[in-house]
Amino acid sequence: DTEVTQTPKHLVMGMTNKKSLKCEQHMGHRAMYWYKQKAKKPPELMFVYSYEKLSINESVPSRFSPECPNSSLLNLHLHALQPEDSALYLCASSQDRARIATYNEQFFGPGTRLTVL
Amino acid sequence: GESVGLHLPTLSVQEGDNSIINCAYSNSASDYFIWYKQESGKGPQFIIDIRSNMDKRQGQRVTVLLNKTVKHLSLQIAATQPGDSAVYFCAENTQGLPLTSGTYKYIFGTGTRLKVLA
Repeated sequence: DTEVTQTPKHLVMGMTNKKSLKCEQHMGHRAMYWYKQKAKKPPELMFVYSYEKLSINESVPSRFSPECPNSSLLNLHLHALQPEDSALYLCASSQDRARIATYNEQFFGPGTRLTVL
Repeated sequence: GESVGLHLPTLSVQEGDNSIINCAYSNSASDYFIWYKQESGKGPQFIIDIRSNMDKRQGQRVTVLLNKTVKHLSLQIAATQPGDSAVYFCAENTQGLPLTSGTYKYIFGTGTRLKVLA
């Protein structure tokens, strides 16, 4: 199974709502990532988890709160978002770099299209 | 031909011709690179990768070339097909901070839209 799944596919929320995005992989990967992608732009890294611990936070506002309950799951909790947070949110996973000496292919999920009203 | 739009450079090629998509990367310490294909409404799809100890790597109909001297990557697609129409991104694997974290992150290039003309 070389698949990363994300739910929901689409999400519309108001600025006062609380919602969560979910990501799952069963490839045994120990590094998982959240990216934000605006239209016609490359994905921008938000967070990296390595062995279920937050390893990188790219100065993301606290209204985005990541969580890694176990090695297969990654969540992104959303609260008090702004309209400019509307984007495609992508999850990805890879073998942990510390263990793999050669290639470190990163697999992406299909993304969640988020609209903040 | 190749043109630079407001946000995304576009490369238009005739079906059956070869395509060359270029990318400049930023960090001379990056040692692993990936090319991704992204179709509208989908996540990026892995195409091919290369380590910095190589200059060239070939896959099925695709070749990646790496020039470390000028920090340049290219993706060559042979006999371009309509299904190749998408946005192509290069990504470099570089060490995140703190350096002791052992965690690496991927930085994406700006992307190129490939349009295949029938």
